[in-house]
Amino acid sequence: RKEVEQDPGPFNVPEGATVAFNCTYSNSASQSFFWYRQDCRKEPKLLMSVYSSGNEDGRFTAQLNRASQYISLLIRDSKLSDSATYLCAVNPSGTYKYIFGTGTRLKVLA
Amino acid sequence: NAGVTQTPKFQVLKTGQSMTLQCAQDMNHEYMSWYRQDPGMGLRLIHYSVGAGITDQGEVPNGYNVSRSTTEDFPLRLLSAAPSQTSVYFCATGQGDSPLHFGNGTRLTVT
Repeated sequence: RKEVEQDPGPFNVPEGATVAFNCTYSNSASQSFFWYRQDCRKEPKLLMSVYSSGNEDGRFTAQLNRASQYISLLIRDSKLSDSATYLCAVNPSGTYKYIFGTGTRLKVLA
Repeated sequence: NAGVTQTPKFQVLKTGQSMTLQCAQDMNHEYMSWYRQDPGMGLRLIHYSVGAGITDQGEVPNGYNVSRSTTEDFPLRLLSAAPSQTSVYFCATGQGDSPLHFGNGTRLTVT
């Protein structure tokens, strides 16, 4: 089993739809979790950190489920500009050795 | 505010050639790292450093060397380039539990 796993997609959704991605991790000692957005041929950019209590930033909501060892990202009211690849990142044990998922590709259709 | 600067942006090498990918940061981050990104493989950690004079191997270190003589710079050296090293390389920095900040990448092709 990979340490961090994501469904590669693509998720094709119409504008205005709500879409959710999950990211599972294998190391129960993992401490820090993040969602990144990556546009084609560009560097990953931080979308949001994931806290134990969950957090929300506008249309984006991130949650952590430690019991089932996954994090989730919910995007409400999808925009065309949300089309990108979404990477999850996990810091297994505070060692700086962040591990990334392979990414989930989202296409928002007009 | 430059953040993390990688050079060059693009590079083509022939098999067996050597080169150095540069990474410089002006955020005073203690942690610096190199990842490569290949289709279907995601980002894989090559080498990382938690401070000047300290380096360690990541998941895929073979064929690459690093050094960290200053806080600001973390060059990645390809000793003898191979076609399997064709990839996009990202330098990333961080501090504490903060998320990583990425440079804009170097696209390397080895023929």
